[in-house]
Amino acid sequence: DGGITQSPKYLFRKEGQNVTLSCEQNLNHDAMYWYRQDPGQGLRLIYYSQIVNDFQKGDIAEGYSVSREKKESFPLTVTSAQKNPTAFYLCASSPRTSGSPEQYFGPGTRLTVT
Amino acid sequence: GEDVEQSLFLSVREGDSSVINCTYTDSSSTYLYWYKQEPGAGLQLLTYIFSNMDMKQDQRLTVLLNKKDKHLSLRIADTQTGDSAIYFCAESYTGGFKTIFGAGTRLFVKA
Repeated sequence: DGGITQSPKYLFRKEGQNVTLSCEQNLNHDAMYWYRQDPGQGLRLIYYSQIVNDFQKGDIAEGYSVSREKKESFPLTVTSAQKNPTAFYLCASSPRTSGSPEQYFGPGTRLTVT
Repeated sequence: GEDVEQSLFLSVREGDSSVINCTYTDSSSTYLYWYKQEPGAGLQLLTYIFSNMDMKQDQRLTVLLNKKDKHLSLRIADTQTGDSAIYFCAESYTGGFKTIFGAGTRLFVKA
């Protein structure tokens, strides 16, 4: 079964701790993305990667970091510098890096920081 | 700048048609999309339309594009309770890496 997996589905952390969200895809897609979703708002792009070992900041990258060591994996670390980390995080992938109509989403991870 | 706007809520009766509207600002948009999100889940691409098209139909879904007014709509015929979800309008352009999403329209279907 091809697709994107995100784990865990729910994550709880204390303020001041870094936390890493997992995103894996077996679709052989080049591009991968991380979005943040808050109630009543559209998705906001955190980071994206067009190719292994390369990634770019999105609109709200502050307080987040990523790596792309393998084509299949694009983990997101929410650092203690992120002022308001509680949100729903969505990972996506796309077969091409630009102009592709197809963006496939994972099921999301809901992060709660107290 | 780039912006996609849509109303936040829509309520319809089961069996009626639903029409979800969206406006966008980027005239260079090449692709316009409708995504569906069910509670606690990721987004699912429903359909998309190229900017040189006026209309696209796919079973119960009809997408209309008015490029002059930068207005996109999604019509769902014979709406069912299973259509209750959040529907996101989005745009992107050839050569770009970003997809710009609206805030989403929450569709309530009353039995």
